[in-house]
Amino acid sequence: DVKVTQSSRYLVKRTGEKVFLECVQDMDHENMFWYRQDPGLGLRLIYFSYDVKMKEKGDIPEGYSVSREKKERFSLILESASTNQTSMYLCASSLPTGQTYEQYFGPGTRLTVT
Amino acid sequence: GDSVTQMEGPVTLSEEAFLTINCTYTATGYPSLFWYVQYPGEGLQLLLKATKADDKGSNKGFEATYRKETTSFHLEKGSVQVSDSAVYFCALDQTGANNLFFGTGTRLTVIP
Repeated sequence: DVKVTQSSRYLVKRTGEKVFLECVQDMDHENMFWYRQDPGLGLRLIYFSYDVKMKEKGDIPEGYSVSREKKERFSLILESASTNQTSMYLCASSLPTGQTYEQYFGPGTRLTVT
Repeated sequence: GDSVTQMEGPVTLSEEAFLTINCTYTATGYPSLFWYVQYPGEGLQLLLKATKADDKGSNKGFEATYRKETTSFHLEKGSVQVSDSAVYFCALDQTGANNLFFGTGTRLTVIP
């Protein structure tokens, strides 16, 4: 079975802390994505990666960075967490660009910044 | 740019009622269209998809038809169950693009 796992289901951090969210997929997918999900706004793309060490900004990259050192792992980093980054964070993976592909999602990490 | 407009929720239905969730899109070219579902406490999973005009996607009793003339991809089910309670997202991708565009989601609650 296809699987995308995220390191935490719930996380509480203080303003100004550095936060790492980890995502691992076991499908050998080239593409990986980070979204945030907020009520009334749906899913918004933060960053995506189409290969190891490659990354591209999505719609809302400000305040975030990412790291992809291995194909199966994609990390989202909040350099200095702020209360407006309180949200649900979803990781996804997919086959390469150019195909009509399905994205496979992890269960999400609900981050609260106090 | 590309966008998806989805019916505002929440939607509350009685068991065995008919369901329609409207979705319209704006896109250049010929996107593929998707419905994803998010059950409580879980991530999103693909419910159905259609890759070209007049295609019908179907799964678990849900259906949606890709209508190019009305730029729509409405989700329907003839008889909903309590277990269908979830948030439903319409989405599109452009062939060759790297990401999906999602609607804002519609929360469905089915009561016994």
